[in-house]
Amino acid sequence: QVHLVESGGGLVKPGGSLRLSCAASGFTFSDHYMSWFRQAPGERLEWVAYMDSGSRYIIYADSVKGRFTISRDNARSSLFLQMSSLRVDDTAMYYCVRGSSLTGFDAWGQGTLVTVSS
Amino acid sequence: IVLTQSPVTLSLSPGDGATLSCRASQSVGRAYLHWYQQKPGQAPRLLIYATSNRAAGIPDRFSGGGSGTDFTLTISRLGPEDFAVYYCQQYDGISRFSFGPGTKVDIK
Repeated sequence: QVHLVESGGGLVKPGGSLRLSCAASGFTFSDHYMSWFRQAPGERLEWVAYMDSGSRYIIYADSVKGRFTISRDNARSSLFLQMSSLRVDDTAMYYCVRGSSLTGFDAWGQGTLVTVSS
Repeated sequence: IVLTQSPVTLSLSPGDGATLSCRASQSVGRAYLHWYQQKPGQAPRLLIYATSNRAAGIPDRFSGGGSGTDFTLTISRLGPEDFAVYYCQQYDGISRFSFGPGTKVDIK
């Protein structure tokens, strides 16, 4: 059974940094594209970052470009999101997601909440 | 590419049919248009990928169609578990993904 478990969320001050992690199990992690998405309370879903299985193709939403970095460790079936220069409008539930532009995003974690507030 | 969805809210009874619309500001490739269901407090679930293909485990009362800038999600007979928010999502073929604002299907 596919399982994605996020961790690392919490309360951080504006300008601060946070690193999210995602532990994957139940499938061959190294075969799949992975992404981070987020959803602010009461808002629509927003794509954050996307990477291929070999970390060669990586793209970011304009809203996070230059501040967030997605990475993965295929040996440990783990996905990461390093977030810096955090802003109040980065407050959201962050989801680790499996999938691609062609297959759709077919497996989602339960999310980890990031709150940016002074 | 900006996605708009209509209606904002659909109030229906169990057993009714539902047609949800997703309109794009520019043409979207059929391979790149997907639909999701989200219930309160839960992560989204993929329903339809590439416009018209049901994801694994999705019942056949869900179907998708469309092309260009107009896409639809149809639910033939609403079950009690189908009352939720539905989002369409696209990839522009270059470097951006986006979601529509969602359609809420609630119980009349």
